[in-house]
Amino acid sequence: QKEVEQDPGPLSVPEGAIVSLNCTYSNSAFQYFMWYRQYSRKGPELLMYTYSSGNKEDGRFTAQVDKSSKYISLFIRDSQPSDSATYLCAMATNTGNQFYFGTGTSLTVIP
Amino acid sequence: DAGVIQSPRHEVTEMGQEVTLRCKPISGHNSLFWYRQTMMRGLELLIYFNNNVPIDDSGMPEDRFSAKMPNASFSTLKIQPSEPRDSAVYFCASSLRHFYEQYFGPGTRLTVT
Repeated sequence: QKEVEQDPGPLSVPEGAIVSLNCTYSNSAFQYFMWYRQYSRKGPELLMYTYSSGNKEDGRFTAQVDKSSKYISLFIRDSQPSDSATYLCAMATNTGNQFYFGTGTSLTVIP
Repeated sequence: DAGVIQSPRHEVTEMGQEVTLRCKPISGHNSLFWYRQTMMRGLELLIYFNNNVPIDDSGMPEDRFSAKMPNASFSTLKIQPSEPRDSAVYFCASSLRHFYEQYFGPGTRLTVT
């Protein structure tokens, strides 16, 4: 079983839609939960991170962590064509000695 | 400020040849990470350094892979001999304070024929 599971998609939505991206994990020691965005032929860039449980909002992006279900989500409101990219979740223990990325979900926002 | 710099951007080589990938981290960053990305396996951490010292190389797939960081501004990942299954995009990333806040380079796309 993989440490982190992520649906690869692809996901295609019309502009303005709300997008929901999800990951599940198995290691209860994970405390840091990150979302990275990767444009085609570029390196990933950190969007946001959450420590432990709860929600975090940054503009149109909201990250949620449910540790009881071992499930994390990224919501994108009012999606834009510029949001078209691959979104990777990542998780780590407190010390970072275990750090894993999901395989990524490809998102296309259609104008 | 320049980001993480990787070279070459593309490398095509024949099976059995030695391949050396290079990385210059962001100035002042004290941690450096090497990753490999494929469609099948996603992004895999190969090795990471802290203050130029290798901390965890458990992700290095085989003895054919080796990495060095002779100083704070330069690191190499070497594959010798290369095999077709090594074909992937190799990323270097660096961080300053928090391991989860990594800045990635543009990657090196390696094709081994």
